[in-house]
Amino acid sequence: DAGITQSPRHKVTETGTPVTLRCHQTENHRYMYWYRQDPGHGLRLIHYSYGVKDTDKGEVSDGYSVSRSKTEDFLLTLESATSSQTSVYFCAISERQGGVSDEQFFGPGTRLTVL
Amino acid sequence: GESVGLHLPTLSVQEGDNSIINCAYSNSASDYFIWYKQESGKGPQFIIDIRSNMDKRQGQRVTVLLNKTVKHLSLQIAATQPGDSAVYFCAERGGYGGATNKLIFGTGTLLAVQP
Repeated sequence: DAGITQSPRHKVTETGTPVTLRCHQTENHRYMYWYRQDPGHGLRLIHYSYGVKDTDKGEVSDGYSVSRSKTEDFLLTLESATSSQTSVYFCAISERQGGVSDEQFFGPGTRLTVL
Repeated sequence: GESVGLHLPTLSVQEGDNSIINCAYSNSASDYFIWYKQESGKGPQFIIDIRSNMDKRQGQRVTVLLNKTVKHLSLQIAATQPGDSAVYFCAERGGYGGATNKLIFGTGTLLAVQP
């Protein structure tokens, strides 16, 4: 988890409220990712970023938006949280993509509960 | 990636024995694979990776074997220790080219090391 922090680490919120999760890295890596992890599923990509202000959708992007105004910060926003968005959210970073190796390094996770 | 239901497959081994964890991947065009370890309450931790032009790669106490004929990946852990207890999962990169080489993650296997 060195070099990657996520905040908050735990959050309980109510249906319909907006929620923003923050990922901060000190590695100066170009690529950043948001995943969710649920029982019975592998990590599923929500959104990713390939540079400042450059983002794209992943496999499960509905209901989520992201922003990256600085290299080190990648924000995930749930505009109006639903119970189906109760999950553990992981941020990941990688130095390159599509090259010789694509190892992604993960943050410690944020456990979000939507009541 | 796989989706194997709510209960993870479990491999139970005795301390000191060797462990073999298996993963079946889905895309014959995948060109890169990673094994991750995830301890309870933590983010996934990179263990070892392998490219599709290799059959075997060794790290410290770990070996990854790739069989492209049957689309199978395995992780061997030598002299398993209690600290190896965790969920292990594989990830494949689809080899689609360009800037969209995203990783697809499996659901994982729980390794339980008995003292």
